[in-house]
Amino acid sequence: QKEVEQDPGPLSVPEGAIVSLNCTYSNSAFQYFMWYRQYSRKGPELLMYTYSSGNKEDGRFTAQVDKSSKYISLFIRDSQPSDSATYLCAMSAGAGSYQLTFGKGTKLSVIP
Amino acid sequence: SQTIHQWPATLVQPVGSPLSLECTVEGTSNPNLYWYRQAAGRGLQLLFYSVGIGQISSEVPQNLSASRPQDRQFILSSKKLLLSDSGFYLCAWSVLPIDNEQFFGPGTRLTVL
Repeated sequence: QKEVEQDPGPLSVPEGAIVSLNCTYSNSAFQYFMWYRQYSRKGPELLMYTYSSGNKEDGRFTAQVDKSSKYISLFIRDSQPSDSATYLCAMSAGAGSYQLTFGKGTKLSVIP
Repeated sequence: SQTIHQWPATLVQPVGSPLSLECTVEGTSNPNLYWYRQAAGRGLQLLFYSVGIGQISSEVPQNLSASRPQDRQFILSSKKLLLSDSGFYLCAWSVLPIDNEQFFGPGTRLTVL
């Protein structure tokens, strides 16, 4: 079993839809969870950084962590064509741990 | 604000040729620096990690090496490129104590022919 599983998509939604992106993981030591957005041929951009379980909201983005299920989600409300990108989840055991474990990314297309 | 630069943006090199990719960070002191490779369908792979000038940790055995001649400069090198070295190379930085909050540069796309 891979440490982090992420559906590669592609996921195609109409503009204005609510998007749900998900990752599952197997390592119970993971405490910190990140979401990156990567546009085509660009470097990943850190979108959300969360610790432990619960929700964190930033504008149209909500990150949700369920440690009991080893499942994390990123919700995008009122999706825009500019949200079209690949979304990578990442996680680590500690804040001082430089070793991140990444998912392979989900490619999202928001259709006008 | 912090800025990270990488160059070149794209590179096409023949097998057996040398490689030098450069990364510089502005707006922060004493960053931890990273080199990652992103290959199609394989996700992000950490190659090297540096906590300071001249201090390099290699995460995987490979045909590549890294150097950090200045606090905010990180270089990825190879003496002889292999076909398997093709990929998207990303430099990233973080600042202690939050080492897992990493910020990536724009990347260099390397094609080895």
